[in-house]
Amino acid sequence: NAGVMQNPRHLVRRRGQEARLRCSPMKGHSHVYWYRQLPEEGLKFMVYLQKENIIDESGMPKERFSAEFPKEGPSILRIQQVVRGDSAAYFCASSPPKGSRSYEQYFGPGTRLTVT
Amino acid sequence: DQQVKQNSPSLSVQEGRISILNCDYTNSMFDYFLWYKKYPAEGPTFLISISSIKDKNEDGRFTVFLNKSAKHLSLHIVPSQPGDSAVYFCAASVSGNEKLTFGTGTRLTIIP
Repeated sequence: NAGVMQNPRHLVRRRGQEARLRCSPMKGHSHVYWYRQLPEEGLKFMVYLQKENIIDESGMPKERFSAEFPKEGPSILRIQQVVRGDSAAYFCASSPPKGSRSYEQYFGPGTRLTVT
Repeated sequence: DQQVKQNSPSLSVQEGRISILNCDYTNSMFDYFLWYKKYPAEGPTFLISISSIKDKNEDGRFTVFLNKSAKHLSLHIVPSQPGDSAVYFCAASVSGNEKLTFGTGTRLTIIP
């Protein structure tokens, strides 16, 4: 049973470019979460999605950041016009449907974004 | 506002001894707590969790203790093994609100 998949693992972008990070949840999982980890800090929640719905985006910056989880395909975290401060590790997690120990989230390996 | 705190950035323990990692929280609404282990360049790996209706949960070498009145939880690893060397994160959530709030982590080093 494959775990949470994220790609790319490393992404380098110049300031002003767009970054697209992809996440495929574990099989049978319908909830996806994105977290960001800055150097020497813990993980910070960004957004929680179910298929075709954003459930909680309280941790997303108001501008330049968006996320989706379409009916088919992976979840995408999109960062437009990247700046140096966006350099971080971005982790995706998934969990099973509610009523099935859904508080335990399983993480992917992360995408390390470097903005030059 | 750091709602989940891990005040020890690092901890060194002799192989075979007990490792105790601590975590404090300030938000009394938190009712579910988790511990994750993270190796460099990898994602966090779920270790063990505890609901606020319990004060202890055990899984093999790992035991989590919860003291609600003190808003404190701890992870005990016994016996400690070299493969346990990693960064350990404490996380908390509120039922019905599935986002996890993480602490800043404790780097555990097991000395052979």
